[in-house]
Amino acid sequence: AQKVTQAQTEISVVEKEDVTLDCVYETRDTTYYLFWYKQPPSGELVFLIRRNSFDEQNEISGRYSWNFQKSTSSFNFTITASQVVDSAVYFCALTNTGANSKLTFGKGITLSVRP
Amino acid sequence: SQTIHQWPATLVQPVGSPLSLECTVEGTSNPNLYWYRQAAGRGLQLLFYSVGIGQISSEVPQNLSASRPQDRQFILSSKKLLLSDSGFYLCACRVLMNTGELFFGEGSRLTVL
Repeated sequence: AQKVTQAQTEISVVEKEDVTLDCVYETRDTTYYLFWYKQPPSGELVFLIRRNSFDEQNEISGRYSWNFQKSTSSFNFTITASQVVDSAVYFCALTNTGANSKLTFGKGITLSVRP
Repeated sequence: SQTIHQWPATLVQPVGSPLSLECTVEGTSNPNLYWYRQAAGRGLQLLFYSVGIGQISSEVPQNLSASRPQDRQFILSSKKLLLSDSGFYLCACRVLMNTGELFFGEGSRLTVL
């Protein structure tokens, strides 16, 4: 069985602060994919990043960076110099491979960035 | 790239009334399709998924049903709505089987009174 734990439920920061969103996962598969999605107030889920289980290189995209560590089963997401537009609910997700595989989501973290 | 359309965007229905939410996908063929529900503004619960026309898998027992009459059409239905059916319903598709990410529609917000 797969499980994704996002222990933080709500985080509030002031604009320009850095913030890290934690994600811990459980799976028995050796091949799997991890994802982060952003859900702004409009409701639609926006895909941010995919990482496969064989690639532990950290990734940076602008103010966003992701730290994948298989040793601790974690896939953390850091926003540098946060902005008000970063306010949203962020979901971490996990899937194994195969035609019938399904995405397992964490419960989400509500991030509020105050001006 | 694929586009997912959902309608209606917002729906207010009385208890006991029927429901039909529709999802259509453009820009891809033979996708896997999914219905998720997000209740109380938080977690995502997988309700149904489909790997092909007429093939529906249900994840949780409930008052809802799903159908896939065409390759790129996925419908969520109920014969009699319950208060607990209120929530935000998201349709999603998976195009690349090897990488697995889902792409979501804009969502349909259902309020049952």
